[in-house]
Amino acid sequence: QKEVEQNSGPLSVPEGAIASLNCTYSDRGSQSFFWYRQYSGKSPELIMFIYSNGDKEDGRFTAQLNKASQYVSLLIRDSQPSDSATYLCAVNVGRNTPLVFGKGTRLSVIA
Amino acid sequence: EAQVTQNPRYLITVTGKKLTVTCSQNMNHEYMSWYRQDPGLGLRQIYYSMNVEVTDKGDVPEGYKVSRKEKRNFPLILESPSPNQTSLYFCASSSGLRNTEAFFGQGTRLTVV
Repeated sequence: QKEVEQNSGPLSVPEGAIASLNCTYSDRGSQSFFWYRQYSGKSPELIMFIYSNGDKEDGRFTAQLNKASQYVSLLIRDSQPSDSATYLCAVNVGRNTPLVFGKGTRLSVIA
Repeated sequence: EAQVTQNPRYLITVTGKKLTVTCSQNMNHEYMSWYRQDPGLGLRQIYYSMNVEVTDKGDVPEGYKVSRKEKRNFPLILESPSPNQTSLYFCASSSGLRNTEAFFGQGTRLTVV
């Protein structure tokens, strides 16, 4: 069974700090990796995706992928209280497969 | 505008009364899925469909039915709802040809009393 694991948190960081969120996956054939942000009661929204090993930066967000170790992480620089949400990691093994979601990590940014 | 539309957004119903939650997407996506989300349990997949007339069970299919007669629509049917189906439901769609992200509907908060 394909699994995506995340620490449920809550992860608490002070405003302005770097928040680091981690995700591990079980299937070595996984090809696409996504990070979603979800505010309470709202639908998940995509914030980052990464396909290749290494880092990918977009504004305050950096996604890091290490396929050999089977983990993907999300760094949020200069964390703001508005970043407080649950962050879901999702993995796609390949074509014609639905995304597999982790249970999410709850992030709390303290002002 | 690319979107996934769910209806209704909120629904309170009684045990045993059949209901349907509709989901429609305008992106010509092959994949559509239904999830339920409960506190502490994350997103759990109920059913998914890889294309018209092709549906498969997810992790928690008991008590639910789906159909995929047209590519754009993927309704979720609760034939005899029970209180343990009280939850927040999301529909999502994605392209089957490319490893792209899933687009989510706005969610349906269902309460079964």
